[in-house]
Amino acid sequence: DQQVKQNSPSLSVQEGRISILNCDYTNSMFDYFLWYKKYPAEGPTFLISISSIKDKNEDGRFTVFLNKSAKHLSLHIVPSQPGDSAVYFCAASTSGTYKYIFGTGTRLKVLA
Amino acid sequence: ETGVTQTPRHLVMGMTNKKSLKCEQHLGHNAMYWYKQSAKKPLELMFVYNFKEQTENNSVPSRFSPECPNSSHLFLHLHTLQPEDSALYLCASSHGSGRGQETQYFGPGTRLLVL
Repeated sequence: DQQVKQNSPSLSVQEGRISILNCDYTNSMFDYFLWYKKYPAEGPTFLISISSIKDKNEDGRFTVFLNKSAKHLSLHIVPSQPGDSAVYFCAASTSGTYKYIFGTGTRLKVLA
Repeated sequence: ETGVTQTPRHLVMGMTNKKSLKCEQHLGHNAMYWYKQSAKKPLELMFVYNFKEQTENNSVPSRFSPECPNSSHLFLHLHTLQPEDSALYLCASSHGSGRGQETQYFGPGTRLLVL
C-alpha cells in the first residue's frame, strides 16, 4: 500500500515555462511534507517543505501548495531552467516520528 | 568535509562476502538513517538511530546489521546478501529533536551490486 504517490513518472517542460509536479497521499496523519531533487549519482537534495498548518510555501522559484482536503501537494517551478532537470521526490511524515514516506519520483526534463 | 559522506560509493560483492558501508555526518545532527532505493521503487526506510539508539527497524532482514558508535557515524554491515539486495543505499541525518517536522539531509549513496 503506497501512502505517497507520484503518478507521473516523467515530465518535459520548455525552458522559462512553469513546471508542476504533483503528489498525492492517503494518510491523513501526515503533517509535514517535503520535496527533494536528485541528480544521477548523487543523493537527494532538500528543496522545500511545508507544514500542514499552511497551504503554501515559497522559496525563490519554488512554491509548494498543499490541499489537505484533497490530500494533494504540488511543486511549482517558475521559470524552469535546464539545471532543474532531475528526479523530484515528495515525502511525507507525521510529527513525533522520524519516518518519511517517499513517492517514486517524477523525472523532470527542462528543454532549452 | 561538509554534509553527509558515504563510503564506498560503489561496491560489488559476492553472496558469501562480508562488507560494511560507512556514513559520516558533519552537521552536528543526532539522528541518522539508512534507506534503500531499488530501481523504480520509492526510497525505503531501513533503520533510524537517534542519539545512538536504534528507534526504528523497518522489518529489515538480519543479513543487514546497523551500527551507530556515535552521533556522527553510522555503519551498515552486510553479510550473505542476495542478488535482490542490489540497490542504492542512502544515509541521511537530521537534527533529532524528536518533535518531528525535521528535514533529512542525504549522502550521495553507495551503489551495491550483489553477484
